[in-house]
Amino acid sequence: QVQLVESGGGVVQPGGSLRLSCVASEFTFSRFDMYWVRQAPGKGLEWVAFIRNDGSNKDFAESVKGRFTISRDNSKNTLYLQMNSLKIGDTAVYYCAKDALPRFGGYFDYWGQGALVTVSS
Amino acid sequence: DIQMTQSPSTLSASVGDRVTITCRASQSISTWLAWYQHKPGKSPNLLIYKASSLESGVPSRFSGSGSGTEFTLTISSLQPDDFATYYCQQYNSHPHTFGGGTKVEIK
Repeated sequence: QVQLVESGGGVVQPGGSLRLSCVASEFTFSRFDMYWVRQAPGKGLEWVAFIRNDGSNKDFAESVKGRFTISRDNSKNTLYLQMNSLKIGDTAVYYCAKDALPRFGGYFDYWGQGALVTVSS
Repeated sequence: DIQMTQSPSTLSASVGDRVTITCRASQSISTWLAWYQHKPGKSPNLLIYKASSLESGVPSRFSGSGSGTEFTLTISSLQPDDFATYYCQQYNSHPHTFGGGTKVEIK
């Protein structure tokens, strides 16, 4: 059974940094594009970031561009989200999500359990 | 960016009701649309992809239709397990934006 397990969430002050990790198992991680999606308290889902299966292409929501970076280590089946210059508005549950198709899918068939990031002074 | 607008934002319905949720895109996305079900404290669950294709394991009471800019998700006979929030998502172009969600509540 495909599993995505996030870690690294926590409480951080505005302006601080945090790195989320997502360890994948039971599928060939290196074949699939991966994503981060977040949900702020009481709000809907927001697409945050994308990385191509081989790391060759990345994209970000405007709300996080220049502050967040996405990376992956295919040898460790792990996806990362480095979050810098955090703002109160970044407070959310962050999900990693697997593309449903190997290359050029864009929708998500498996999601992690979510990691809570709280930005507060 | 493509904006996705769902309606209604909240829907009150009874078990056995037929429920329809609408999603509109700000520009044509062909059929590059997915629907998800999301319950509190859980991860979202894929229901429909490519506007009308049912994900494996999803009950047949769920169906999707539409193309271009107008899409619908229909639940033919609402079951107790279906009370949740539903999101559409376009994957025609980055960012793959979500609609604002439709919360289906017990009437």
